[in-house]
Amino acid sequence: GAGVSQSPSNKVTEKGKDVELRCDPISGHTALYWYRQRLGQGLEFLIYFQGNSAPDKSGLPSDRFSAERTGESVSTLTIQRTQQEDSAVYLCASSPMGQGSTGELFFGEGSRLTVL
Amino acid sequence: LAKTTQPISMDSYEGQEVNITCSHNNIATNDYITWYQQFPSQGPRFIIQGYKTKVTNEVASLFIPADRKSSTLSLPRVSLSDTAVYYCLVGDGGNTPLVFGKGTRLSVIA
Repeated sequence: GAGVSQSPSNKVTEKGKDVELRCDPISGHTALYWYRQRLGQGLEFLIYFQGNSAPDKSGLPSDRFSAERTGESVSTLTIQRTQQEDSAVYLCASSPMGQGSTGELFFGEGSRLTVL
Repeated sequence: LAKTTQPISMDSYEGQEVNITCSHNNIATNDYITWYQQFPSQGPRFIIQGYKTKVTNEVASLFIPADRKSSTLSLPRVSLSDTAVYYCLVGDGGNTPLVFGKGTRLSVIA
């Protein structure tokens, strides 16, 4: 597709369950970000994948959060044993890299997670 | 930590020019300055990007002084549909992840 695709768009789960959120970046974009946005708040950095480098996980809030990326393609964000404070919109963004790139981010529409 | 500081909110009447200033005192030589706009229930979208001096596109202008320690996004003749949160980011898209600040919530009223 032409843009960043995220699924599911909405997810309601019960406290304690695990959830997986998926991001399909723009083809050819080697950088991929996950952000979390709570209601009425700004974007909180979670994790950054850049090409074949080790991901920057410095924003992950706890060990219940993890993310993987298959090469320069799909990424999944997994939240284990969800808590109510995990309720938020999870945004994925991709960016082209390399010479001439200036790091512009292209965002998906987000996955809204509600933990009951 | 975000590398930028912006006003939390601004109000404007329709038809006025709005200027939002962002401070980035520790901007690095390779960093670009990028502004994003976010409407409720949507991901942020790119507005404008610059490195130095002035950049203008069809929706906004970006003014960057010579020391690059701040930048000003200028929205000419705002309308109600410009009500959104505006984020300023600095970075080079390289090894350091792009971290958002709190943004500026712009409210345009009739």
